[in-house]
Amino acid sequence: QVQLVESGGGLVKPGGSLRLSCAASGFTFSDYYMSWIRQAPGKGLEWVSYISSAGTTIFYADPVKGRFTISRDNAKNSLYLQMNSLRAEDTAVYYCAREAGYNVYHFDYWGQGTQVTVSS
Amino acid sequence: QSALTQPASVSGSPGQSITISCAGTSSDVGSYNLVSWYQQHPGKAPKLLIYEVNKRPSGVSNRFSGSKSGNTASLTISGLQAEDEADYYCSSYAGSRTVVFGGGTKLTVL
Repeated sequence: QVQLVESGGGLVKPGGSLRLSCAASGFTFSDYYMSWIRQAPGKGLEWVSYISSAGTTIFYADPVKGRFTISRDNAKNSLYLQMNSLRAEDTAVYYCAREAGYNVYHFDYWGQGTQVTVSS
Repeated sequence: QSALTQPASVSGSPGQSITISCAGTSSDVGSYNLVSWYQQHPGKAPKLLIYEVNKRPSGVSNRFSGSKSGNTASLTISGLQAEDEADYYCSSYAGSRTVVFGGGTKLTVL
């Protein structure tokens, strides 16, 4: 069965960095586009970044452009999010999610999320 | 990339039907038939309920249905059950490879 397991979250000071990982299993990871989506405490969902199946096409939401970097290693079935210059407003649960197909823009599998807290 | 607008809360009694609206703009909901709906129980990951406005993934109850008119999409849940109590989020493609979500609606089953 499809599984997505995030890790790497934690408490970090403003201005700090964190690298999130998402381990995928149960499907051919290299065939799918992947995204990171976050949810601030008590708030709604916010799409953060997307990466194509080969890793050649990448997009970011405006609030994270220039600070976050998405990447993937298809040999390791893993997705990553390098987060730099973190701010209090980046505090959220971060989910990795599989896009259901090519250019369909909906997500059929989600991980359980990893908590990122940015606080001094 | 403004969030789509959803009511903060809706409620209904078991067996009733409820509808959750999702208001967007001509740049997102109004331009693409790429509206999705997700259900999220407390402490859990979101679950895909509806995609491409009105399609249901395998395994999702036919009590859930979606529609769209102009810049507003809607999710209808018929035959309300206690287990439907959850948060519901809409999303839409917004061009340039971006996705925008709604602020979420808390459904209470009375």
